[in-house]
This record gives sequence, structure tokens and C-alpha cells, in this order.
Amino acid sequence: EAQVTQNPRYLITVTGKKLTVTCSQNMNHEYMSWYRQDPGLGLRQIYYSMNVEVTDKGDVPEGYKVSRKEKRNFPLILESPSPNQTSLYFCASSLSAGSPLHFGNGTRLTVT
Amino acid sequence: QKEVEQNSGPLSVPEGAIASLNCTYSDRGSQSFFWYRQYSGKSPELIMSIYSNGDKEDGRFTAQLNKASQYVSLLIRDSQPSDSATYLCAVKTIQGAQKLVFGQGTRLTINP
Repeated sequence: EAQVTQNPRYLITVTGKKLTVTCSQNMNHEYMSWYRQDPGLGLRQIYYSMNVEVTDKGDVPEGYKVSRKEKRNFPLILESPSPNQTSLYFCASSLSAGSPLHFGNGTRLTVT
Repeated sequence: QKEVEQNSGPLSVPEGAIASLNCTYSDRGSQSFFWYRQYSGKSPELIMSIYSNGDKEDGRFTAQLNKASQYVSLLIRDSQPSDSATYLCAVKTIQGAQKLVFGQGTRLTINP
């Protein structure tokens, strides 16, 4: 089944404790992206990747890192999480930039 | 001006009626437009795409595009309670890095 898989679904952590949210797609998509979704602010792009080893900042990249060592994986790294990063995170992929996106199931992160 | 604007709602429609959702965008050169449906706590799922002026129908859904006026709309005929969700409009930008820009979404409630 074609899908985008992200883990974990729920994560509660404390300020400053490094964490990684994994994302994997099995559709051989070139383009992958991370979004956060907050009430009243909609979906905001954090980082995106046009292809392997090619990543770039989205609209809200501060406090996040990503890597794209393989085509299928695009992990999101929070080196020192802060409470303002409490949010619902979505990984998404598409054939190319601007093509319809396929979303993962989301990760609800709480930073205390 | 926001790149993609939607009325956040909530929009309340009686069961069986037509629900009309609207979206305006600022990038006059945009060519690709998408509607996503998002149930509470779930990931967005693509329900319609439209690329040329006019109407595009898919079952109970009709997408309408007017590039001259820079708006795109989604009509849901014979609304069902299961249509209650947030509807996100997404537009592919052509300026800068190509990506999908999302509106904040319109929350739709279908009343039995």
C-alpha cells in the first residue's frame, strides 16, 4: 500500500531533550516536506527536500533540522525542543514540487 | 495579503443542501489548485484538483476555477454529516521555490 509513515504518533518530552520524528515513503517520490499545524495558523512548511541530499528551509525552520540521505526517508530533528514547538506535525511527499501531496498520519508533539 | 485565503468558518449547512467553500489566491500565475479534506485529528486527504478555468465534477464534489478573479471554490451537493470536516485550499506557487501553499481551512458542519 502506497503510504507515508511517520513515527511516533504521540510524543511528550521536556524542554531541551533532543528528539527525532521519522518519516518514510514507499512511492519513490522526489519531493518531501514537513509541516506543522497550529489552531488559527493552518499548515506551515518547516523544511522541504527536492531530492536526495537537497534540503531547504520553508516558512518556519527555526529550531528544526532535517536530512535526506535516502530518497525514502526524511527525518525531522529537534535538537533542543521548546514549548513553542508543541504542535501537530505532518510529513508529506509528492512526485515533484507542487504536485499533490500525500500526508502521513501526523505526530502530536507536546514539549513541557 | 495572505497568499491563499479562506473563510475560517464555521460554515453550517443542513443535510442534503449544497455546501459552498471559497478560496482566493494572490499569485496570478498559479496554475494548479487542490482541495483537501481534513477530519479532526487526522491528516489532510486530497479530494479534488483543478488546473483550468471552469468546473470539474467528481461525484458530489464540484471544483470551480476562475483565474481572472483569482478564486477557486468547492461545491458539495447533497451534503452528508460525514462531510463535516475542515476543507483546505492549496495553490501551487510559481514564484520562488515551487510548493503548495495552504489556506487556513474552512470548518464545515453538516447538520442532520
